Amino acid sequence: KQEVTQIPAALSVPEGENLVLNCSFTDSAIYNLQWFRQDPGKGLTSLLLIQSSQREQTSGRLNASLDKSSGRSTLYIAASQPGDSATYLCAVNRDDKIIFGKGTRLHILP
Amino acid sequence: EAQVTQNPRYLITVTGKKLTVTCSQNMNHEYMSWYRQDPGLGLRQIYYSMNVEVTDKGDVPEGYKVSRKEKRNFPLILESPSPNQTSLYFCASTSGMARNEQFFGPGTRLTVL
Repeated sequence: KQEVTQIPAALSVPEGENLVLNCSFTDSAIYNLQWFRQDPGKGLTSLLLIQSSQREQTSGRLNASLDKSSGRSTLYIAASQPGDSATYLCAVNRDDKIIFGKGTRLHILP
Repeated sequence: EAQVTQNPRYLITVTGKKLTVTCSQNMNHEYMSWYRQDPGLGLRQIYYSMNVEVTDKGDVPEGYKVSRKEKRNFPLILESPSPNQTSLYFCASTSGMARNEQFFGPGTRLTVL
C-alpha cells in the first residue's frame, strides 16, 4: 500500500532563507506527484505537478524535484517570505488513486 | 472562471439525517474526487470517478455514497451520518484521467451531532 511521508511536520525559518521540504513515498510506480499549499481554514492551491517522466518543475521561487527510483521529492523555496507561511502538502497518483502526505507546516519568521 | 464549487460550505446536522454535499466543476474534467481532512490524519480519498457512470472507492469509502450522472457534478451522499464523519470535505477535479493538475473546491465543514 502506498504511503506518503512528509518530514518535518513543522518548520520555522527566518525570512530570506532558502529552504527544502521533503516528501517520500513507498511505491515508485506513480503517474505523477503534486505539491499543494494550504492556508489555515482554506482549500488547497496547486503549486507544481511533476509527471513520472520528469525530474523537476519550476515556478517562480519554487522548484520541485522528483526521484522516482528512490521514492523522494523535494520542494525548494528560495528567498522565503512571511507570505510563504502555510502548510505544504504533497500527493502522489498511483493507479489513479491519490495519496496525500500529512503536510509540513511552515512558518517564516519576519 | 474555471472553478470547482461545493455546497453547502458549512453544515451542522444530527446523527442519522441523510444529507448530500454537492460538487460541480466547469472545466469539463473527466476525473472527480472526494476527500476528507482530519487533524493528524491528513487528507484521505473517499471516492473517485474517472468519468460519467464510473466510480470507485478510495481509502475511506465506508458510510459514503457517490454518483456521477453528469460530467460536471459529483455529489457526496451520507445516508446515515454519524459523529465520526465530522470533518472537512474537499471535492477536486482533474483532466486526463487524473494524470494532470488537480483543482480543489473550497471545502465543506460538516459537523454531525
